[in-house]
Amino acid sequence: RKEVEQDPGPFNVPEGATVAFNCTYSNSASQSFFWYRQDCRKEPKLLMSVYSSGNEDGRFTAQLNRASQYISLLIRDSKLSDSATYLCVVNYDFGNEKLTFGTGTRLTIIP
Amino acid sequence: GAGVSQTPSNKVTEKGKYVELRCDPISGHTALYWYRQSLGQGPEFLIYFQGTGAADDSGLPNDRFFAVRPEGSVSTLKIQRTERGDSAVYLCASSAGGPYNEQFFGPGTRLTVL
Repeated sequence: RKEVEQDPGPFNVPEGATVAFNCTYSNSASQSFFWYRQDCRKEPKLLMSVYSSGNEDGRFTAQLNRASQYISLLIRDSKLSDSATYLCVVNYDFGNEKLTFGTGTRLTIIP
Repeated sequence: GAGVSQTPSNKVTEKGKYVELRCDPISGHTALYWYRQSLGQGPEFLIYFQGTGAADDSGLPNDRFFAVRPEGSVSTLKIQRTERGDSAVYLCASSAGGPYNEQFFGPGTRLTVL
């Protein structure tokens, strides 16, 4: 079983729609959680950190459920520019900074 | 300011050759990370440095892979006796250190082993 699992998609969503991604992680000792965005043939960039209380940044909302070991990302009023691959990322250990990435979920917003 | 830079952007080599990939982190960042990304996969951790020392090299696949950061800034990832399976994008990232600090990624080096 992969340490971080995501549905690879692709998700093809009309502009203006709401789309949600889920991600599960296997290590219950995981400490910090992130969503990164990666455009085609570009480097990953941090989209947002995910906190236990949930957090929102504009049209983006991230949730963490430690009991069920899953993380979600909600994108409202989707824009063409949201088309990208969204990577679920976990850090397992406060004393170790390495990140463990999921395979990514590919999203295409259709005009 | 300048972001993380990596050179070369593309490297084509033949099976069995030696390659070096360079990473220049963001100035002042103490932590530096190497990841490898294959097509259709997320980045996979290789090694990270805190200052000059390798804090965790558990992701290096075998002893053909080695990385250094002699002065705590620039890092070089070295691959000996390259194999076709080493073909991937090698990503470098840097951060101010700590599990909650954002890791800033460079554009990567695309390595192709023929």
